[in-house]
Amino acid sequence: NAGVTQTPKFRVLKTGQSMTLLCAQDMNHEYMYWYRQDPGMGLRLIHYSVGEGTTAKGEVPDGYNVSRLKKQNFLLGLESAAPSQTSVYFCASQDRGNQPQHFGDGTRLSIL
Amino acid sequence: GNSVTQMEGPVTLSEEAFLTINCTYTATGYPSLFWYVQYPGEGLQLLLKATKADDKGSNKGFEATYRKETTSFHLEKGSVQVSDSAVYFCALSDWTNSKLTFGKGITLSVRP
Repeated sequence: NAGVTQTPKFRVLKTGQSMTLLCAQDMNHEYMYWYRQDPGMGLRLIHYSVGEGTTAKGEVPDGYNVSRLKKQNFLLGLESAAPSQTSVYFCASQDRGNQPQHFGDGTRLSIL
Repeated sequence: GNSVTQMEGPVTLSEEAFLTINCTYTATGYPSLFWYVQYPGEGLQLLLKATKADDKGSNKGFEATYRKETTSFHLEKGSVQVSDSAVYFCALSDWTNSKLTFGKGITLSVRP
């Protein structure tokens, strides 16, 4: 019973490098989300998707891109990493609106 | 827009003490309310939920009642354990917007 799986779990990047974080869910959920969690800031929504092939901006989208080519996967990309993007990134999925979201265990990303 | 306000933390209690964590909200329409818990190094897990006024959500000895008249959803537990040490987030969502609105979270530490 995997639920929501995030890869990688940890990563260290240098400023300017690019990378992609992968989120996979096996619950056939329509909605998927990417958040970042920073001390004292709670969770902030980066981007989200309400179905395969759709994406939308959240609260803090700058510097990130996303894609939802398959219903079960939601990718978060950093084209040119900056130290301000050092954070813990969480992916979540949701069956439909007003239902609980299910979270992955997070990706801890450090940018030097 | 929607917002969630949690009491300031951190909170430190002795084992078997009574716990109350305050949460108030502002929302248009009729939101669903949630409490999530995050244990160290893990993602968020749904602790309990309530979908309409006067509903009581409960799980693992925790309870919260949806109070529309006071726009509150306070979390309570009669006797906390060391294993309850975690970060607790209050959140809401509504039918017009699938996204969750989170409070900033509060860290609970329980001493033996």
